[in-house]
Amino acid sequence: AQSVSQHNHHVILSEAASLELGCNYSYGGTVNLFWYVQYPGQHLQLLLKYFSGDPLVKGIKGFEAEFIKSKFSFNLRKPSVQWSDTAEYFCAVNEDFGNEKLTFGTGTRLTIIP
Amino acid sequence: GAGVSQSPSNKVTEKGKDVELRCDPISGHTALYWYRQSLGQGLEFLIYFQGNSAPDKSGLPSDRFSAERTGGSVSTLTIQRTQQEDSAVYLCASSSGGTQYFGPGTRLLVL
Repeated sequence: AQSVSQHNHHVILSEAASLELGCNYSYGGTVNLFWYVQYPGQHLQLLLKYFSGDPLVKGIKGFEAEFIKSKFSFNLRKPSVQWSDTAEYFCAVNEDFGNEKLTFGTGTRLTIIP
Repeated sequence: GAGVSQSPSNKVTEKGKDVELRCDPISGHTALYWYRQSLGQGLEFLIYFQGNSAPDKSGLPSDRFSAERTGGSVSTLTIQRTQQEDSAVYLCASSSGGTQYFGPGTRLLVL
């Protein structure tokens, strides 16, 4: 069975700081990887995804993530955060065939201090 | 275009009552998923529908939970004899090209 770990439960940063949120998964086969964001009072939105190809993927709002297969990792990064990035961030994975059900990490709450 | 819609947005019920939650997927999306988001368990997969295939019910926590999808579009998640531990946000998603798009959820509170 797959599992996803997000080791940072709550991250607090000042505006303009750089961000890196960790995500590790356990599954031996080919996977698709996702980062979703949930802004306060809003529903889950897709930030970015990796299916294949270039392991460095760029998403919306200046976010990017790098898939490192050897480390089973898909960390989320942003060079300079804004107050509006305050939200909860979820890493998710599914298998690269058949059933696309997602396995989610427990989420990381990001608080940006103006 | 319209996204995934869910109703009701909030539901308060008494323990032991049955509830029905509705999901309208994005038009043309053949795959539909239900998830549950709760404080203790995070985001959990419940059930998956793909076209006319038999649904994957592997995530349903008990036989009190069931779901159907009529005409390959609208889906209803039914919880019978609700328990307090069923309190959670129930999320629906539909997908196209491998990417799932989520609805706003139904917040269920069982008293």
